[in-house]
Amino acid sequence: EAGVTQSPTHLIKTRGQQATLRCSPISGHTSVYWYQQALGLGLQFLLWYDEGEERNRGNFPPRFSGRQFPNYSSELNVNALELEDSALYLCASTLGGPREETQYFGPGTRLLVL
Amino acid sequence: AQSVAQPEDQVNVAEGNPLTVKCTYSVSGNPYLFWYVQYPNRGLQFLLKYITGDNLVKGSYGFEAEFNKSQTSFHLKKPSALVSDSALYFCASQGQGGKLIFGQGTELSVKP
Repeated sequence: EAGVTQSPTHLIKTRGQQATLRCSPISGHTSVYWYQQALGLGLQFLLWYDEGEERNRGNFPPRFSGRQFPNYSSELNVNALELEDSALYLCASTLGGPREETQYFGPGTRLLVL
Repeated sequence: AQSVAQPEDQVNVAEGNPLTVKCTYSVSGNPYLFWYVQYPNRGLQFLLKYITGDNLVKGSYGFEAEFNKSQTSFHLKKPSALVSDSALYFCASQGQGGKLIFGQGTELSVKP
């Protein structure tokens, strides 16, 4: 069974540009979660999508947004990139809602903002 | 507010010796706790979780964790460490609204 996949693996952008990161959940999983792993800041929750709806977002500015498609894949968009957005962005999925469910993570997209 | 702490930034162990990676939590209600491992330039791999029941949880690759409610701890253990266990380990708690709340991570180094 294929795991969570993310693309691209690496992304280089300049300040002010927009970045789009993609995630495909494990087959049958309907919930997708996004996390940011920035140097010195640890792992921080960004967004949760379930059944096409945004269910929760972490303490990030509105320029971090996303969506979930009918096939449950998801996109994370970061507008007006800043240098401090450089990080590893991880996507995870669960079978349904998060309660008691294990979040399975993808390999991540490493975003570098110059 | 809910939080998870990993008091050691780094743990050094000789191959073949037992290892412990410490985690304490602060959660209202029943905690749902997880351990993940991250190898360099990789995502997180799930090791084990505690939801309810037996305080000793067995997971992947020979790892186990002991849930201790009175000490609010969930330490990760392995009886005999391998060099290949060297990685970054994260303890996490299930928070409100889908999010996992992670500790800061512990770098495990196993020397031959």
